[in-house]
Amino acid sequence: GAVVSQHPSRVICKSGTSVKIECRSLDFQATTMFWYRQFPKQSLMLMATSNEGSKATYEQGVEKDKFLINHASLTLSTLTVTSAHPEDSSFYICSARSSGGRGEQYFGPGTRLTVT
Amino acid sequence: GEDVEQSLFLSVREGDSSVINCTYTDSSSTYLYWYKQEPGAGLQLLTYIFSNMDMKQDQRLTVLLNKKDKHLSLRIADTQTGDSAIYFCADETGFQKLVFGTGTRLLVSP
Repeated sequence: GAVVSQHPSRVICKSGTSVKIECRSLDFQATTMFWYRQFPKQSLMLMATSNEGSKATYEQGVEKDKFLINHASLTLSTLTVTSAHPEDSSFYICSARSSGGRGEQYFGPGTRLTVT
Repeated sequence: GEDVEQSLFLSVREGDSSVINCTYTDSSSTYLYWYKQEPGAGLQLLTYIFSNMDMKQDQRLTVLLNKKDKHLSLRIADTQTGDSAIYFCADETGFQKLVFGTGTRLLVSP
């Protein structure tokens, strides 16, 4: 089946630093990838839609200068949290939409970010 | 924006059936999905249903869709302790985005 990986699975960083999270589709090509944020015991909130070779589309209320998204290839999208603050601590999940078939989304295992 | 609502918690005994309910507000849904999330993990797609269907069965899973009432349910037959997790319904909108429900925590006791 379709597999999506994320790296790292957990990261701890200090306030003011930047953190990059990678999302890869391992066995399929994904022209579109999505980035979600999940707070404890809450649902997933879509942050942005990432299209290969073009600028990401951010949801209302998501700061594009703080959450930089790059979709450099058909199998890789990155999310960089710039100048991280403790309130950015969260579980970040990516998904990749397959280019073929029905185009369903496959989810990565998530990255737990803790900002101290 | 669209709302997708679920009951927060469901507790059943092993071997019983579980029914998880979901309501949504979008009139232009194309597909509706059920995902399972175990602690600290990503989402696993369980099943989906096209908006023109009213039922779909996949082994122990049965999805019922009442489009008129905008009500979706997931029935898990012969529930096992390994089914304990959080279950999310999700509605795919016309822009191919997923709007997730609030999640239902299913606890299966032996």
